[in-house]
Order: sequence, then structure tokens, then C-alpha cells
Amino acid sequence: QVQLVQSGAEVKKPGASVKVSCKAPGYTFTDYYMHWVRQAPGQGLEWMGWINPNSGDTKYAQKFQGRVTMTRDTSINTSYMDLSSLRSDDTAVYYCAREMGIIEVAAYDAFDIWGQGTMVTVSS
Amino acid sequence: QSVLTQPPSVSGAPGQRVTISCTGSSSNIGAGYHVHWYQQLPGTAPKLLIYGNNNRPSGVPDRFSGSKSGTSASLAITGLQAEDEADYYCQSYDSSLSGRVFGTGTKVTVL
Repeated sequence: QVQLVQSGAEVKKPGASVKVSCKAPGYTFTDYYMHWVRQAPGQGLEWMGWINPNSGDTKYAQKFQGRVTMTRDTSINTSYMDLSSLRSDDTAVYYCAREMGIIEVAAYDAFDIWGQGTMVTVSS
Repeated sequence: QSVLTQPPSVSGAPGQRVTISCTGSSSNIGAGYHVHWYQQLPGTAPKLLIYGNNNRPSGVPDRFSGSKSGTSASLAITGLQAEDEADYYCQSYDSSLSGRVFGTGTKVTVL
């Protein structure tokens, strides 16, 4: 079954970093872009960036450049999103999401598979 | 601040038809980039509802349909059901931002 399984909730202090994992069983991990999206409490969806699991290439939203790092480990079919210098307004649910078209022909396709979400709370 | 604007809320009685608009600009929807729609039930992850402007993934009822014209897109729900009560988001690509963008989101209430 195609699914994305994320790591558990985290509580961090301001200034710290958090690393969220997203494991992808059930399909060829390196064939599809992986995106990260976050949602603050009561707010809308916000795109953070993507990683090409095959090459390791990344693209980040301007808002997060310098603070976010997306990596992957192809041996365990897992993507990671690391966010540093955390602030209270980084409190949110963080989702990984697979882009539906295979990398070779992907053209700004939709996100067809989503992880269950990881709650990150930033509080002193 | 999102570059795709949706109405904050729409409502309708069971069986009625409702539409949700998604207004963009010449750097996203108007540039020809596809629009996708997601449904988010309370406390759950978003679910793909419409892709490529007007295509439904397997398992999505044909009560849901999408369209696009100019710098805007729309999601229509016909035969509204209680289970359709959720938040809905449009999404596209923006060439000025060089990234994906989501709409502001619309809460659908079934009266």
C-alpha cells in the first residue's frame, strides 16, 4: 500500500532545530519528488520546498531559505526536513507529500499521497 | 500571504450545488499552470480531490468537478452531502515565486 509515515510529535525551545522524517514504503522512492508543507494552528497550507530523492537536488520556498534543509536516505526510503532557529510561529503540523508524476515527466503535478502529519510545538 | 484567493466560507443545504473560486494572476493560473484541489477533513491530512484542473483521482465521487478560465479556477460540489463538510484548498505553481502556492482555503458548511 502506498503511504507516507512520519515521525512523532516534537516539542522544541526557541532557537533549537527540529528534524522530521518521512518514510515511503510501497513505491519506488527515487521515482517521485517529495514536498514538505506546513499548517499552523487554524491556518492554511504553506509550501516549504521539495527534494528529488534520486539526485538529492532541492528547492526551497524563499521564506525558508537559510533555515530549512531537506535530505534523504535512499537505503531506507526516507526523506527528512530539518528546520533551524525555531520561533514560536513555526508551531505547526508539518506534512510530507508525494508529487504524483514520476520525476522524468513531472510538470508541477498534484500531491497525491500525504503523510499523517507531525506536530511541532515551539515553546519556552 | 497567499497569492491564490478563495472565499473564507461557503454553505449550502444537502443536495444543493456549491462552488468555490480560486483567483490567481498571470504568474500562476493565468500562465497556464495546472490547478489542483484538496479536501481536508478536521484533524486529518489533506486529500487530493482534483488534479490537472478537472481530473478526479480514483475513488473521488463525480459530484466533485473542477474548471479553469483565465486567471481563476473553480471547484463545484453537486448534491452536497454532510460528509462534504471540510476545508478545501486550491494549489498551483507560481513562476514569480518559483514555487508551489496554495489558496487561502474555504470552509464548506452543510446546513
